[in-house]
Amino acid sequence: EDQVTQSPEALRLQEGESSSLNCSYTVSGLRGLFWYRQDPGKGPEFLFTLYSAGEEKEKERLKATLTKKESFLHITAPKPEDSATYLCAVSISGGYNKLIFGAGTRLAVHP
Amino acid sequence: EAQVTQNPRYLITVTGKKLTVTCSQNMNHEYMSWYRQDPGLGLRQIYYSMNVEVTDKGDVPEGYKVSRKEKRNFPLILESPSPNQTSLYFCASRSLLRDSGSYEQYFGPGTRLTVT
Repeated sequence: EDQVTQSPEALRLQEGESSSLNCSYTVSGLRGLFWYRQDPGKGPEFLFTLYSAGEEKEKERLKATLTKKESFLHITAPKPEDSATYLCAVSISGGYNKLIFGAGTRLAVHP
Repeated sequence: EAQVTQNPRYLITVTGKKLTVTCSQNMNHEYMSWYRQDPGLGLRQIYYSMNVEVTDKGDVPEGYKVSRKEKRNFPLILESPSPNQTSLYFCASRSLLRDSGSYEQYFGPGTRLTVT
């Protein structure tokens, strides 16, 4: 069964304290892996797409990487405004229009 | 401004009373989809549509209906809502063009539905 697991469920950081969020996946054929940010009461906001192992993408304090079994979202020197839930999703071969989401990591960055 | 809109944003209803949640996008996207989000379960796809008059079931279609009569609109219909359909619902859209880039889906703001 295709599955996406995110860890940790929740993460509390001090401002400036770098860390990583994990997304591990077990799928029949990966077409792409996506990271989204979701603020309370809002819809998910697209961050990155990764297509192949070894690929990296960066945006401000965020950097996403991909291996054959997992992806990491690295947050460097986070600020309180980075507090949100981060969602990972995959699209698979034969079902490329469907995204399979993980349950998310709730990140809280305190000043 | 490119956006996906949903209405209503909040809805409290009773078991068995038919309701419709509307979704509209202004980006001329071919693909539209409905998800529900429940604590600990993540987002799960209910139905999707590849274009006008083309719809298909997602992972959790039971108890829901959709229609796609116009490219911009994709309403979600609950003909006889039950308490287990209490959830947060999101509509999403994206382009199916080969050069559209990143499979990026645009999500609406969500509709919080409570069925008592």
